[in-house]
Amino acid sequence: EVQLVQSGAEVKKPGESLKISCKGSGYIFTNYWIGWVRQMPGKGLEWMGIIYPGDSDTRYSPSFQGQVTISADKSISTAYLQWSSLKASDTAMYYCAKWDQWGQGTLVTVSS
Amino acid sequence: QPVLTQSSSASASLGSSVKLTCTLSSGHSSYIIAWHQQQAGKAPRYLMKLEGSGSYNKGSGVPDRFSGSSSGADRYLTISNLQSDDEADYYCETWDSNTRVFGGGTKLTVL
Repeated sequence: EVQLVQSGAEVKKPGESLKISCKGSGYIFTNYWIGWVRQMPGKGLEWMGIIYPGDSDTRYSPSFQGQVTISADKSISTAYLQWSSLKASDTAMYYCAKWDQWGQGTLVTVSS
Repeated sequence: QPVLTQSSSASASLGSSVKLTCTLSSGHSSYIIAWHQQQAGKAPRYLMKLEGSGSYNKGSGVPDRFSGSSSGADRYLTISNLQSDDEADYYCETWDSNTRVFGGGTKLTVL
């Protein structure tokens, strides 16, 4: 069974750093692009960027370029999304997604 | 970069059929899209991949009541015999070599 399992909810303060994860199983992790999607409260889905774990080729949506870093560790079939300095406006649900499979989501709350 | 346009809302009665539309921007009418369903409070679920020819491939476990079709730049998702748990947001998605993009989503209400 193909699964994407994300790390748990996070509560952070503005200015803090954060790295959330997404572990793939049931398929060849290195063969498929995997991406990150933001959903702000009450809003639609927004692609942030995608990575090809086989060679770490990474593409960012213009809106998120420079704001986040996407990476992957193919040895443990895990993709990451990280922030160096969180803002309150980063409060959202974050999903990882392969083209036909979604993770369960990670809620990130940034509040002083 | 392609742009996808969806109506913000739709409604239909229990047991009836509904056809949701996703329109590709000019110059992108041949693009393949995907449809996703997001029930309230849940993660999205992949429904199908839909080509400009109208050919579609559904995800595992997606009921036969869900089907896809195409006409020019329009991509359709038809849900027949509507059930209460079909009430959800439906998003279309497409991609090119450097980017992926979602439509704004259609909120489907089952009356």
